[in-house]
Amino acid sequence: QKEVEQDPGPLSVPEGAIVSLNCTYSNSAFQYFMWYRQYSRKGPELLMYTYSSGNKEDGRFTAQVDKSSKYISLFIRDSQPSDSATYLCAINSGGSNYKLTFGKGTLLTVNP
Amino acid sequence: SQTIHQWPATLVQPVGSPLSLECTVEGTSNPNLYWYRQAAGRGLQLLFYSVGIGQISSEVPQNLSASRPQDRQFILSSKKLLLSDSGFYLCAWSRGDTQYFGPGTRLTVL
Repeated sequence: QKEVEQDPGPLSVPEGAIVSLNCTYSNSAFQYFMWYRQYSRKGPELLMYTYSSGNKEDGRFTAQVDKSSKYISLFIRDSQPSDSATYLCAINSGGSNYKLTFGKGTLLTVNP
Repeated sequence: SQTIHQWPATLVQPVGSPLSLECTVEGTSNPNLYWYRQAAGRGLQLLFYSVGIGQISSEVPQNLSASRPQDRQFILSSKKLLLSDSGFYLCAWSRGDTQYFGPGTRLTVL
């Protein structure tokens, strides 16, 4: 079983839709959870970071963590064409080398 | 604020040629540094990480090597490139639980 599983999509939605992106993980030692956004031919940029179960909101973005189910989600409200990108989940066990385990990414297209 | 630079942005090299990719970080000291490769459909693969000058850990056996000659400089090298070395190479830094990525170098080996 892979440590982090992420549906690769692709996912295509109309502008204004609510988008749900998800990852599951297998290692209960994971403590820190991140979402990165990567535009085509660019480096990933950190979008959201959380370390506890529950929701964290930042503008149109909400990160949700359910440690009991080992399930993390990113919700995008009122999606815009500029949200079209690949979204990567990343998880950290908190070790001193701060290595991250990444999902393979979900390609999202928001159509105007 | 912190900034991470990578160069070159793109590179086309023949099989068997050497490689040197450079990454520098500004605005922080003693960061952890990372080299990743991203191939189509395969996600981000951690190649090397470094927690200090001269300290390099390799994650995947391969014909690549890394060096950290200065606190905020990380170099990825190869003596002889293979076709399979083609990909998007990303450098990242961290001082805590999150990592911040550079703009990447797209390498094509022909």
